[in-house]
Amino acid sequence: SQQGEEDPQALSIQEGENATMNCSYKTSINNLQWYRQNSGRGLVHLILIRSNEREKHSGRLRVTLDTSKKSSSLLITASRAADTASYFCATPVNSGAGSYQLTFGKGTKLSVIP
Amino acid sequence: DTGVSQNPRHKITKRGQNVTFRCDPISEHNRLYWYRQTLGQGPEFLTYFQNEAQLEKSRLLSDRFSAERPKGSFSTLEIQRTEQGDSAMYLCAIRTAYNEQFFGPGTRLTVL
Repeated sequence: SQQGEEDPQALSIQEGENATMNCSYKTSINNLQWYRQNSGRGLVHLILIRSNEREKHSGRLRVTLDTSKKSSSLLITASRAADTASYFCATPVNSGAGSYQLTFGKGTKLSVIP
Repeated sequence: DTGVSQNPRHKITKRGQNVTFRCDPISEHNRLYWYRQTLGQGPEFLTYFQNEAQLEKSRLLSDRFSAERPKGSFSTLEIQRTEQGDSAMYLCAIRTAYNEQFFGPGTRLTVL
């Protein structure tokens, strides 16, 4: 079953605008990770935020985490056409064997129009 | 450069054939994962290795699937008697000491 859900499912913006994507999850976590995936390609790791962190920045990316609401957001500022991709949040699940496998939502498909 | 390479990048096979995929972490990582991703979905966990030991398998991993990591470095995923429902992207990932998981470029399997 999927732990995380991204919202919206699709987002279309003009180049230069900011894009905000949200993620909700169900159980307690020790970290949350965001990934980008260009069509037909592998996943690119963007950022990991730990459960004791509220906000983290990386370049034009800003990630927030609210553990009380079990939600996270990814903000991309000053978007570029090259940011067009699907974005996924992922949370680790410890099923007992120590795997901390990641569970993903269906992603947000971002289109940045030049 | 994700630190993980996968081969082949694409595989087209006929139903009933066996296929094998390979994952090569560039540097030593003792924790390795396989995931499967179908169109429009996020990746789903298949199996987990710590060094050469396969410690966890998903219910998605039917008995037609087998994975190995013989020396705790590279890993292989074999699918026997492929079915059209096996068509997907197969992704390998490693987990760092900081708990980040980095993915390879994936192998896209098409079963005709």
